[in-house]
Amino acid sequence: EIVLTQSPGTLSLSPGERITLSCRASQSFTTNYLAWYQQKPDQPPRLLIYAASRRATGIPDRFSGSGSGTDFTLTISRLEPEDFAMYYCQQFGSSPMYSFGQGTKLEIK
Amino acid sequence: DVQLVDSGGGLVKPGGSLRLSCAASGFPFSSHTMHWVRQAPGKGLEWVSSINSYGNFIYYADSVKGRFTISRDNGQNSLSLQMHSLRGDDTAVYYCVRDSKWNAFDAWGQGTVVTVS
Repeated sequence: EIVLTQSPGTLSLSPGERITLSCRASQSFTTNYLAWYQQKPDQPPRLLIYAASRRATGIPDRFSGSGSGTDFTLTISRLEPEDFAMYYCQQFGSSPMYSFGQGTKLEIK
Repeated sequence: DVQLVDSGGGLVKPGGSLRLSCAASGFPFSSHTMHWVRQAPGKGLEWVSSINSYGNFIYYADSVKGRFTISRDNGQNSLSLQMHSLRGDDTAVYYCVRDSKWNAFDAWGQGTVVTVS
């Protein structure tokens, strides 16, 4: 079973800063089917990045994803006020077929 | 516009049953794998079940296997989740979700709340 561990759990930053969120898998997976989501309170998640590094439709280019194997990152180059939210990574390919990390909360400092 | 409208949630006693539905529009429903994903109060996201476009490949999380049944009607553009033997830890918001064809979830319903108590 692949377990995704996100770090840090909570991050306090200011608008304009650059941030990198980490998602580490307990085992390497070769498909690179790794996605990132943003979720705001009382809203469903929104897909940001799929296949590790491809931006979803309508996602600003300040969001970027990278990584392979067991280590993946989501970078926001310059935080906007609307970026403060929960972020989840998600993998496909191993038991369970799909799984999510526990999330990173990005809050305003 | 892509729309997924979840319905069917409610309050049910432990051991009870509930059927969730999702009405899809704005895209070729029959071309997409569909999923149910849930989120317990104050918790993270948990994948529940998936069904491919033809309905002949179906998968479940271990936590719901044997109790939940996913199905789809491509003629009606609808997705369903039949839930039996419900437990307190099934309490969650249940989302109907579209697969992007890259094994990522690119469209989400607004969610329907299931409370088992």
